[in-house]
Amino acid sequence: GAVVSQHPSRVICKSGTSVKIECRSLDFQATTMFWYRQFPKKSLMLMATSNEGSKATYEQGVEKDKFLINHASLTLSTLTVTSAHPEDSSFYICSARGVSNNQPQHFGDGTRLSIL
Amino acid sequence: GQQVMQIPQYQHVQEGEDFTTYCNSSTTLSNIQWYKQRPGGHPVFLIQLVKSGEVKKQKRLTFQFGEAKKNSSLHITATQTTDVGTYFCAGPYGNEKLTFGTGTRLTIIP
Repeated sequence: GAVVSQHPSRVICKSGTSVKIECRSLDFQATTMFWYRQFPKKSLMLMATSNEGSKATYEQGVEKDKFLINHASLTLSTLTVTSAHPEDSSFYICSARGVSNNQPQHFGDGTRLSIL
Repeated sequence: GQQVMQIPQYQHVQEGEDFTTYCNSSTTLSNIQWYKQRPGGHPVFLIQLVKSGEVKKQKRLTFQFGEAKKNSSLHITATQTTDVGTYFCAGPYGNEKLTFGTGTRLTIIP
């Protein structure tokens, strides 16, 4: 099946640091990529939808200046958590999909972010 | 907005017993997708159902899409320890995104 690589898998850093997470589709062109946040034992909460070459669409309540998303190519999207604080600690997962919303999403392995 | 609920939230079964999770959407869906997330892992796509009343099988897993295309179920026959994880249904919302269900966490008692 389709492969999506997410890096890094784990980050531990001090409060105030900015953290960049990369999401790459390795064997298909991802027209659309999604960024989710998942709290322990909870469902996936969509943060934003990103389309190659255009601005990301953020969900209600997600600060776009806090969570910067760039989708520069059909195989790469990045999420930067700016000036991270302990409340930003979470599991962040990206997914990638082809053109149609009827196609399944393929998920990266996730990034566990811990802000001290 | 669209809401997708799943019941039960948790299910503990003896190995060998059957398991079923139910998914209900507040809106009619063009399709329903099912994903499995192992503990500590990421969601993995299992299957997509498109037609009203559709039933699909994958070995011990049986997926069903309701006639009204607002509900779905996943049934696992004779569970094994490898079935442990959280099962999510997901339905498309608008042209872009999926709304994921609340999930059912399955644990197996050996």
